[in-house]
Amino acid sequence: EIVLTQSPGTLSLSPGERATLSCRASQSVSSSYLAWYQQKPGQAPRLLIYGASSRATGIPDRFSGSGSGTDFTLTISRLEPEDFAVYYCQQYGSSHTFGQGTKLEIK
Amino acid sequence: EVQLVESGGGLVQPGRSLRLSCAASGFTFDDYAMHWVRQAPGKGLEWVSGISWNSGSIGYADSVKGRFTISRDNAKNSLYLQMNSLRAEDTALYYCAKDIVIAAAGGTAFDYWGQGTLVTVSS
Repeated sequence: EIVLTQSPGTLSLSPGERATLSCRASQSVSSSYLAWYQQKPGQAPRLLIYGASSRATGIPDRFSGSGSGTDFTLTISRLEPEDFAVYYCQQYGSSHTFGQGTKLEIK
Repeated sequence: EVQLVESGGGLVQPGRSLRLSCAASGFTFDDYAMHWVRQAPGKGLEWVSGISWNSGSIGYADSVKGRFTISRDNAKNSLYLQMNSLRAEDTALYYCAKDIVIAAAGGTAFDYWGQGTLVTVSS
């Protein structure tokens, strides 16, 4: 099973700042089959990025994904108030696994 | 508009069974693989099971293998999860989720999710 480790566990930033979230896999993720989700309290997860770097429909371009192999990054270029949430990465190259999440909180 | 509506959750004793359902609308259901993902209270996401568009490919997390069975009825646009031998650690909000890619045998990212149905396993 591929284990995904997200860092940091909590990220404290201010609106307007840049956020960089990391997802590291225990083995290579085939074909960059990696996705990122955003989850707010009381809501279902929302797909942001799939295929490591493709934005899902309706996702603002301040969200971008990059990486390959075992190291992946989600970048939010300029934080808006609505971006403060928990973010999960998921690999779907070998079955499916999720990372433990990164909480992005307002500083 | 794509809608996924889960039902069937509730309070159940350890060792008992429960069957979850997910009613889908707003897309061609039999074109897409479907999945169950759960989230224990205050915890992260855990993929539980997935089924391809034609039921030809099915997968389970190790934590539920041999106890849970996923199925679908394309004529009824419905997804199911039969959960047997339930344990306290199965307590979670269970989400139904749709693949983003048509006819992907192994499953892909999930572009639509339901609001979930809560399963509580307790005596």
